[in-house]
Amino acid sequence: AQSVTQPDIHITVSEGASLELRCNYSYGATPYLFWYVQSPGQGLQLLLKYFSGDTLVQGIKGFEAEFKRSQSSFNLRKPSVHWSDAAEYFCAVSQEYGNKLVFGAGTILRVKS
Amino acid sequence: DAGVTQSPTHLIKTRGQQVTLRCSPKSGHDTVSWYQQALGQGPQFIFQYYEEEERQRGNFPDRFSGHQFPNYSSELNVNALLLGDSALYLCASSLYGTYAYNEQFFGPGTRLTVL
Repeated sequence: AQSVTQPDIHITVSEGASLELRCNYSYGATPYLFWYVQSPGQGLQLLLKYFSGDTLVQGIKGFEAEFKRSQSSFNLRKPSVHWSDAAEYFCAVSQEYGNKLVFGAGTILRVKS
Repeated sequence: DAGVTQSPTHLIKTRGQQVTLRCSPKSGHDTVSWYQQALGQGPQFIFQYYEEEERQRGNFPDRFSGHQFPNYSSELNVNALLLGDSALYLCASSLYGTYAYNEQFFGPGTRLTVL
C-alpha cells in the first residue's frame, strides 16, 4: 500500500531564509507526486507535481521540488520565504492512472519576522 | 473559469442524523473525488465518481455514500452520524482518461461538526 511520511509536524523559519520540507513515500512503481498548500480554513491548492522526466520541478509561488528515486523522497524547497507562505503543506502520492491521492500528515510552516 | 465549489460551508448536526454535502466540479471536469480531513491530519480518500458510478472507494464504512449527476456534480451522504465524522470534507475534480487525470483541483471544503 502507498504511504507518505512528512517527518516534520512544525517548522519555523525566519522571513527571507530558505526552506526545505521533507517528504518520503512508499510505493512500488513509479509514483505521481504532489505538493499542496492549505491556508487555515481553506481547501488545498496545488503547488507542483511530478509525473515523469526532469526530477527537479518548478511550481507556483517560487517553490520547487526534487524527486529522488533512490531515497524515495520528494522534498519541497524555496530559496527565500515570505510571511505569506505560512500555511500547512501536504505531500501526496498517487499511482499511475489511479488518481486516488494518499496524503502525508502535513507540515505546518510558521514564518517569523 | 469556475473552480470547484462546495456547499454548505459549515454544518452542525447531532449524532445519529444524516447529512448531504454538495460539490460542483471545475468547468470541463467529469470526475469527482471526496476526501475527509480530520483535525490535524491529512485528507483521506473516501470515494470517486465518474459517469455517475462509484469507481474507487477508500476505507470508509457504508454509512458514507455518494451520487453523481448527469451534469457531473456530486453529493456525499453520511448516515447515522458519529462524533468521529466531524471533519472538513473536501471535494476534488479532474478530467478522466487524460494526462491530467492525476491532477486534482480541490474545493474550499465543508466543515461538518457533529455534536
